[in-house]
Amino acid sequence: ETGVTQSPTHLIKTRGQQVTLRCSSQSGHNTVSWYQQALGQGPQFIFQYYREEENGRGNFPPRFSGLQFPNYSSELNVNALELDDSALYLCASSLTSGSWNEQFFGPGTRLTVL
Amino acid sequence: DAKTTQPPSMDCAEGRAANLPCNHSTISGNEYVYWYRQIHSQGPQYIIHGLKNNETNEMASLIITEDRKSSTLILPHATLRDTAVYYCIVRVSQGAQKLVFGQGTRLTINP
Repeated sequence: ETGVTQSPTHLIKTRGQQVTLRCSSQSGHNTVSWYQQALGQGPQFIFQYYREEENGRGNFPPRFSGLQFPNYSSELNVNALELDDSALYLCASSLTSGSWNEQFFGPGTRLTVL
Repeated sequence: DAKTTQPPSMDCAEGRAANLPCNHSTISGNEYVYWYRQIHSQGPQYIIHGLKNNETNEMASLIITEDRKSSTLILPHATLRDTAVYYCIVRVSQGAQKLVFGQGTRLTINP
């Protein structure tokens, strides 16, 4: 158990719909990163939020967006869902303090797009 | 971040040492080697990291060659619960904290 929670656990949507995934970071952590993991692949970095600001983004289109709240929890929003968006979405929290700190991953949200 | 190469799969008998290799021939002087693992249906879990010296913690040992172009993660007494996908990642220590995962090695511990 890492103390990072994600909701919902599973989700089924249809193509064209919008989805919001949620992540509660570990106590004391100020940074949240989101990753997409397609079946059989390693996780791919989507973006990172530090103190409510986006702090780095991977190769994902603008329809992937996020938020970080004052309590450092975070949301991942995906608009105009496509079939290829079906994946496990992972969030990871960490404490940014100048040098690298371990990222603690949540259990993920399994999104299926039909 | 430098690219890493790992075997797609390995098997190991329970109770034996599991040695997982990783090649990172383009590693830069300021890049560290990190290992994570992902047990089925869970998020990745940090194991260990190092720069050039060998490292050991309660989970594993990390052996980095002198030229730093390859490394080996050692699980000294593998158990069935060590069955997972193991990822070797090379990155700088500071700056953006994104992790670049490859395909990893699927390690199966057999009874």
